[in-house]
Amino acid sequence: DAKTTQPNSMESNEEEPVHLPCNHSTISGTDYIHWYRQLPSQGPEYVIHGLTSNVNNRMASLAIAEDRKSSTLILHRATLRDAAVYYCILRDSYDTGRRALTFGSGTRLQVQP
Amino acid sequence: DAGVTQSPTHLIKTRGQQVTLRCSPISGHKSVSWYQQVLGQGPQFIFQYYEKEERGRGNFPDRFSARQFPNYSSELNVNALLLGDSALYLCASSYSTASTDTQYFGPGTRLTVL
Repeated sequence: DAKTTQPNSMESNEEEPVHLPCNHSTISGTDYIHWYRQLPSQGPEYVIHGLTSNVNNRMASLAIAEDRKSSTLILHRATLRDAAVYYCILRDSYDTGRRALTFGSGTRLQVQP
Repeated sequence: DAGVTQSPTHLIKTRGQQVTLRCSPISGHKSVSWYQQVLGQGPQFIFQYYEKEERGRGNFPDRFSARQFPNYSSELNVNALLLGDSALYLCASSYSTASTDTQYFGPGTRLTVL
């Protein structure tokens, strides 16, 4: 499986934008980039995913580098509720027999009031 | 709409015992996956089931087994419990096994092995 690299932790102030980076230099052409987050004492929840183009939804934006070797999850205005561990995950769009999410260690985001 | 539900919420067992964890997927979802999350680490994949058939298995010993029922609910069984099996066990459901399908996670079952 192609691997991802994320910083262990990041800090942000409330109501400021947050840019969470992810490196995936060995990404294949068929890998989707997914982001999940896990709030304290909860199961992970889906945030966003994309293939080549930048993506926006109500939770966040995903900016994907032109060579696809890195991506950035953007929270436009961080709130205290956004404090969580954020996971960047690659998922192959073809049937490889492995249909699961492969979580790394993620980035622990702290949001200061 | 109800999300993914798991039972029990917490469980305490002793070494050598057996445990069964249960998961009910979101209505209409046909795929269930199980993950183990040890404290301080990301979740690790154990099994995925789709339409009652095993579709994927992670790197876990044969003491771990699972099944999916006709109503798409699922059970995870762990035999001969070890101290290292203490973890949060997460169940996730999705409509299919497509890689673009969102997986929706339950709150997990916290298993403590003494």
